[in-house]
Amino acid sequence: NAGVTQTPKFQVLKTGQSMTLQCAQDMNHNSMYWYRQDPGMGLRLIYYSASEGTTDKGEVPNGYNVSRLNKREFSLRLESAAPSQTSVYFCASSLTQNTIYFGEGSWLTVV
Amino acid sequence: LAKTTQPISMDSYEGQEVNITCSHNNIATNDYITWYQQFPSQGPRFIIQGYKTKVTNEVASLFIPADRKSSTLSLPRVSLSDTAVYYCLVGYQKVTFGTGTKLQVIP
Repeated sequence: NAGVTQTPKFQVLKTGQSMTLQCAQDMNHNSMYWYRQDPGMGLRLIYYSASEGTTDKGEVPNGYNVSRLNKREFSLRLESAAPSQTSVYFCASSLTQNTIYFGEGSWLTVV
Repeated sequence: LAKTTQPISMDSYEGQEVNITCSHNNIATNDYITWYQQFPSQGPRFIIQGYKTKVTNEVASLFIPADRKSSTLSLPRVSLSDTAVYYCLVGYQKVTFGTGTKLQVIP
């Protein structure tokens, strides 16, 4: 009963490096999301995918790219990491309106 | 997207009932209202969802007035383990979370 799985859980990057956060869900959900959460703050939507092959920008898309590889997988890429992208990243998925299931989070530090 | 407004924080003693109200003045006709709970270092988890009137599950109750411009999450007899951040969401698809309400339960 995996639900939403994110990798890696922890990552330290140097400024300017690139990396991809992987996310997969096994619940046959259509919609998938990437959020970031800074310390003491709420979650902010980075990108959203309503279905396979479609993606849409959220509140804070700058500096990120996404790929909805198939129905199960939704990856988030940082092309040139910046210290301002230090955050906790949550992947999520949903089938029905607003019943969103979250992964355990990926802690990213950019130095 | 409907914007939501919640109190930033609340304190409550153990065993008390806690009511957290969310304002969503521009809710759309087909929008549902959903509440989530988040513990530190974890992703949010679904608590309850409703469209109108009252919904109750094993964890909480959700009260929605006829005009649907607000909603109230009610947590009966809170315990220390209910200390968390509670988010009110309106709408679907590109949903956004606000800063939520930080509930501190006091022994």
